[in-house]
Amino acid sequence: EADIYQTPRYLVIGTGKKITLECSQTMGHDKMYWYQQDPGMELHLIHYSYGVNSTEKGDLSSESTVSRIRTEHFPLTLESARPSHTSQYLCASITGVEQFFGPGTRLTVL
Amino acid sequence: AQSVAQPEDQVNVAEGNPLTVKCTYSVSGNPYLFWYVQYPNRGLQFLLKYITGDNLVKGSYGFEAEFNKSQTSFHLKKPSALVSDSALYFCAVRDYNDYKLSFGAGTTVTVRA
Repeated sequence: EADIYQTPRYLVIGTGKKITLECSQTMGHDKMYWYQQDPGMELHLIHYSYGVNSTEKGDLSSESTVSRIRTEHFPLTLESARPSHTSQYLCASITGVEQFFGPGTRLTVL
Repeated sequence: AQSVAQPEDQVNVAEGNPLTVKCTYSVSGNPYLFWYVQYPNRGLQFLLKYITGDNLVKGSYGFEAEFNKSQTSFHLKKPSALVSDSALYFCAVRDYNDYKLSFGAGTTVTVRA
């Protein structure tokens, strides 16, 4: 099973602030993903990466951006947080066939 | 395009009774199918997958799922539910040559003592 780490677990921040959600994995997986999930609701893919310097937008349009400078690290950035960004953000990577997920970051923008 | 439908928002069962969570899928090629479970304020935990072979797949915590190609279904089952099985369950599908997953809307399972 993959070890995927996300920090912070919880974040409460004011409107207009720049934030970066961290995601890292130590298994050397090439494929990583970011999902957005409103409480108790379905997951929407917002970004994915199939390797270093490779990033793509997912099915759900998002104002966030991602980078993949190192294999193990896939951070997500919001340049100016808004209340509409309040959600849970889940990071995942693939080992073999199935995706394994990090614990998530619950973001609240006031 | 690929998609998943979980027709029930909620499933309520008594402890010790069988549990079934329904899932149907649509995919252009050969499907890879998955079930995940999510507990409050946690990420998703992998339960089981179907790739090929036997249509009955066994997974973690006593769960199993049956792949039915003609009905494009992949229902999750547990013969005897526990209160600790109460959680949010997601079905997911991907095409065999695409690494992106599509998730259903989720089904909340409540097992009463």
